Amino acid sequence: SQKIEQNSEALNIQEGKTATLTCNYTNYSPAYLQWYRQDPGRGPVFLLLIRENEKEKRKERLKVTFDTTLKQSLFHITASQPADSATYLCALDEAGGGNKLTFGTGTQLKVEL
Amino acid sequence: GAVVSQHPSWVICKSGTSVKIECRSLDFQATTMFWYRQFPKQSLMLMATSNEGSKATYEQGVEKDKFLINHASLTLSTLTVTSAHPEDSSFYICSARDRQGLVEKLFFGSGTQLSVL
Repeated sequence: SQKIEQNSEALNIQEGKTATLTCNYTNYSPAYLQWYRQDPGRGPVFLLLIRENEKEKRKERLKVTFDTTLKQSLFHITASQPADSATYLCALDEAGGGNKLTFGTGTQLKVEL
Repeated sequence: GAVVSQHPSWVICKSGTSVKIECRSLDFQATTMFWYRQFPKQSLMLMATSNEGSKATYEQGVEKDKFLINHASLTLSTLTVTSAHPEDSSFYICSARDRQGLVEKLFFGSGTQLSVL
């Protein structure tokens, strides 16, 4: 089965800097790779989806890359703000349609003033 | 975007009692909803897929008699934790699919923190 690795250590960065979070997977490349934000005690909120044939996707200050050769996705937040502090989860959607989302454990991001 | 409402947000119950959690899609119809469980600092684990008008599909290792799922309408799925025990204490989250353009996306409820004493 797929194993997803996200850095379990919290990432602390200064306001205004770019945060880069990593998601590595072990087996075959999924049809879609998704990124979610999760705040404490809340459900995940969808941020971005990237398909296996796409290398990069952007949405406002967010950017996601997908390298199927490295089996890795990078999630970037530019001009980070304290309000960006949360746990960010990557999820693999192997067949599309959200039927079998496999989530990573998430990386906690803290943006400091 | 689509909104999924989940109630209650938190519940404390005595061991042996049953707890029902509701998941509603507010502005769209969802033929399929999903139930996840999340332990502290762990990833979301899919428990079951709830299908409107038919039986739920449970993931391996999830007891269907313990976690009863009912999806009687296109906007409501319920999860009942029967005879709850302290080891069932966890964060339960539901999600529903909605088509956004060419892609079906998942929208999550706000979760239910269950504490069994």
